Amino acid sequence: LAKTTQPISMDSYEGQEVNITCSHNNIATNDYITWYQQFPSQGPRFIIQGYKTKVTNEVASLFIPADRKSSTLSLPRVSLSDTAVYYCLVAPRGGAGSYQLTFGKGTKLSVIP
Amino acid sequence: IAGITQAPTSQILAAGRRMTLRCTQDMRHNAMYWYRQDLGLGLRLIHYSNTAGTTGKGEVPDGYSVSRANTDDFPLTLASAVPSQTSVYFCASSEEKGDEQFFGPGTRLTVL
Repeated sequence: LAKTTQPISMDSYEGQEVNITCSHNNIATNDYITWYQQFPSQGPRFIIQGYKTKVTNEVASLFIPADRKSSTLSLPRVSLSDTAVYYCLVAPRGGAGSYQLTFGKGTKLSVIP
Repeated sequence: IAGITQAPTSQILAAGRRMTLRCTQDMRHNAMYWYRQDLGLGLRLIHYSNTAGTTGKGEVPDGYSVSRANTDDFPLTLASAVPSQTSVYFCASSEEKGDEQFFGPGTRLTVL
């Protein structure tokens, strides 16, 4: 079961790029890395998923080094509406059998005007 | 499109009572999940189902049971509630195990 570690909190000014790193030293070969965003009193919302190297979508980029023992979520030019808690998830995809997954404890991002 | 719904929104329950939290999705997803979220502990998986008719235990299954009689519904039952089960419960679904998960709005449960 891959344990994940994230910073508890981060502050950033509006318009800056924010990088949040998640450590997952014992990630398994078939594990993928997924990031979620959560606002107060709401369920988490998917941001991005990747297996290795770099993945980019319209809201974020995900950088995964070759050893896959960490991953970095990059949010370009954050705004006040990006203030939220960000969770890293390491879990396998597909296949039958048992399913163990580990959410990180989350990073509370505060964007300052 | 409703996506994924949960009921009730919140509930106060006496210890020892039985309670079922309901979860329904209309996306025809195969996989469904139940999590509990406690302050400082993040999201912890209680039970999951890879497909209708199958269920599995997550990280914190004790005191909870689930069933998956069809694709759409995945109820979570507390047979005899205890105060340590006070939490916010989220149901989620994904097309297949490990895919992007869609979360419901949550149920806030207080056990006194």
